[in-house]
Amino acid sequence: QLQLQESGPGLVKSSETLSLTCTVSGVSINSSGYYWGWIRRPPGKGLEWIGSINYSGNTHYNPSLKSRVTISVDTSKNQFSLKLSSVTAADTAMYYCARRWGAVDFWGQGALVTVSS
Amino acid sequence: EIVLTQSPDFQSVTPKEKVTLTCRASQSIGITLHWYQQKPDQSPKLLIQYASQSFSGVPSRFSGSGSGTDFTLTISSLEAEDAATYYCHQSFDLPGTFGQGTKLEIK
Repeated sequence: QLQLQESGPGLVKSSETLSLTCTVSGVSINSSGYYWGWIRRPPGKGLEWIGSINYSGNTHYNPSLKSRVTISVDTSKNQFSLKLSSVTAADTAMYYCARRWGAVDFWGQGALVTVSS
Repeated sequence: EIVLTQSPDFQSVTPKEKVTLTCRASQSIGITLHWYQQKPDQSPKLLIQYASQSFSGVPSRFSGSGSGTDFTLTISSLEAEDAATYYCHQSFDLPGTFGQGTKLEIK
């Protein structure tokens, strides 16, 4: 059974870097054809794609966040990670890791990250 | 960037009613359009992929249609448990974009 679990600090100071890791269990992250991604939902707002990566490191980033985002993969640990730099209050959100083929078929439970001043 | 516009933003409906939600893309995306349901304090769940393919385990009252720029999600007979926010998502232009969501309230 595929499971995705987000981990990382729930509180980040303004102007610092938000870091989250997603641990994948039940399937190898090396699975061909799949991308592993990050999606967020700010309070009271809708879903927003941050970006995604495949096992070989090919990435797609949201153009509006591209300058601040890095997504990486560690196949030895079956994990992928998100770094978002220079955060502001607008980056406060529930952050989800997910698996995408075309549609997103599996989601993590989400990690709430609050940016404090 | 491909913009997805959902309508309506909010709908209040009675059980057993037929519900139709729409999603319009700013350019043609073929059938690379997917639908999700998100309930409070839960992760989104995939309902329909590639416009009309039901995802495993999804009740048969949910169906999707459309291609190009106009898409619909239909709930044939609404149940109380269907109260949620529904999102469309396009994977034509990666990483993809979501619609703003339609919140469905049960009367």
